[in-house]
Amino acid sequence: GDSVTQMEGPVTLSEEAFLTINCTYTATGYPSLFWYVQYPGEGLQLLLKATKADDKGSNKGFEATYRKETTSFHLEKGSVQVSDSAVYFCARTNAGGTSYGKLTFGQGTILTVHP
Amino acid sequence: GAVVSQHPSWVICKSGTSVKIECRSLDFQATTMFWYRQFPKQSLMLMATSNEGSKATYEQGVEKDKFLINHASLTLSTLTVTSAHPEDSSFYICSASRGQGVAFFGQGTRLTVV
Repeated sequence: GDSVTQMEGPVTLSEEAFLTINCTYTATGYPSLFWYVQYPGEGLQLLLKATKADDKGSNKGFEATYRKETTSFHLEKGSVQVSDSAVYFCARTNAGGTSYGKLTFGQGTILTVHP
Repeated sequence: GAVVSQHPSWVICKSGTSVKIECRSLDFQATTMFWYRQFPKQSLMLMATSNEGSKATYEQGVEKDKFLINHASLTLSTLTVTSAHPEDSSFYICSASRGQGVAFFGQGTRLTVV
């Protein structure tokens, strides 16, 4: 079935460090891939998405490239800020579905950035 | 992005009682709403999909008689946890989309059953 696996956290970095959060997905169907972010006390917000192989999603300095050959969608940022501290979720659309709303999520990765 | 609001943000109820959680799309008409459940340190699990004016579609293993979903209008869906038990304690999150577009999430509801 559909599944998404994220690197286990928590991840703790100093400000301006490079960030990578790994995400792999099961290769059933032709999923769209997403990264969502959840700031403390808030709901999930869409950070970026990619709908087909080799697409690169980017937003707020974050990037992720849809790699079909490695079934991966790793999240990267060149220089993190304290304000990036949050929980990050990788997600894919469900196989056979056409809606961006039916998603399978990874377990989430807690990121803490220190000054 | 669009705004989806859940109410309440947290609720404590006694075993055996029912509790209703509301999900509202504040600035767009949501043809489809989704309900997720999140256990501590685990990912969000899709419970059901609801389309305005029709019955919800439940994921395998989700008891439809226990988790009643109503999507009476294009801006409101409700999840009622009936005869709640401590094992129903969880974080419930809704999302809403217009057509097949990207879904926007509410802030979640923490349910504690005592």
